[in-house]
Amino acid sequence: DAKTTQPNSMESNEEEPVHLPCNHSTISGTDYIHWYRQLPSQGPEYVIHGLTSNVNNRMASLAIAEDRKSSTLILHRATLRDAAVYYCILRDWNDNYQLIWGAGTKLIIKP
Amino acid sequence: DAGVTQSPTHLIKTRGQHVTLRCSPISGHKSVSWYQQVLGQGPQFIFQYYEKEERGRGNFPDRFSARQFPNYSSELNVNALLLGDSALYLCASSPQPGQGSGNTIYFGEGSWLTVV
Repeated sequence: DAKTTQPNSMESNEEEPVHLPCNHSTISGTDYIHWYRQLPSQGPEYVIHGLTSNVNNRMASLAIAEDRKSSTLILHRATLRDAAVYYCILRDWNDNYQLIWGAGTKLIIKP
Repeated sequence: DAGVTQSPTHLIKTRGQHVTLRCSPISGHKSVSWYQQVLGQGPQFIFQYYEKEERGRGNFPDRFSARQFPNYSSELNVNALLLGDSALYLCASSPQPGQGSGNTIYFGEGSWLTVV
């Protein structure tokens, strides 16, 4: 079973920030938080990952709660090209064998 | 640089047939994983290979098998196809396992398999 919980879908307006939440109440000390997204008819694409501290890259920011039981992916200015299914995944530091995926959040961007 | 490449991109098979899907990882990546994604769901892990050895296996029947070649490319084989095997099959590559979860996993565009 997936170790994360995400809303099924979210809507946002173009050019506005988007905050995608993820709950992972059973996270362990060795779990990294990874985010991937999947555009229609494409393979998943890496977005960002983090362990304890907030992280920024050219695509997004990742805000991690102090107790690490939840996190938020932030898209600072959503565009139509950001419409995708976003997956939040926990990945054990010691286990590179597999990723356990939930159903993800379908992000709808309104022009 | 080329990303993860998969072939074929689309194929249609009949129930009971066999299928082979192919994957070439990113140059320098030695680990390949296979995932099955049914429409509307997240990917499900099938196999991981590293240095030609199976390192992990998901909850799939023995009809599913895979192998990795000396050049790190990989094949996924499915025998006795069922209608329920219709899905997008994704290949992912990463540098190597055991390096901590900082390793980014890169996915190919997938092979769409339809079983009729």
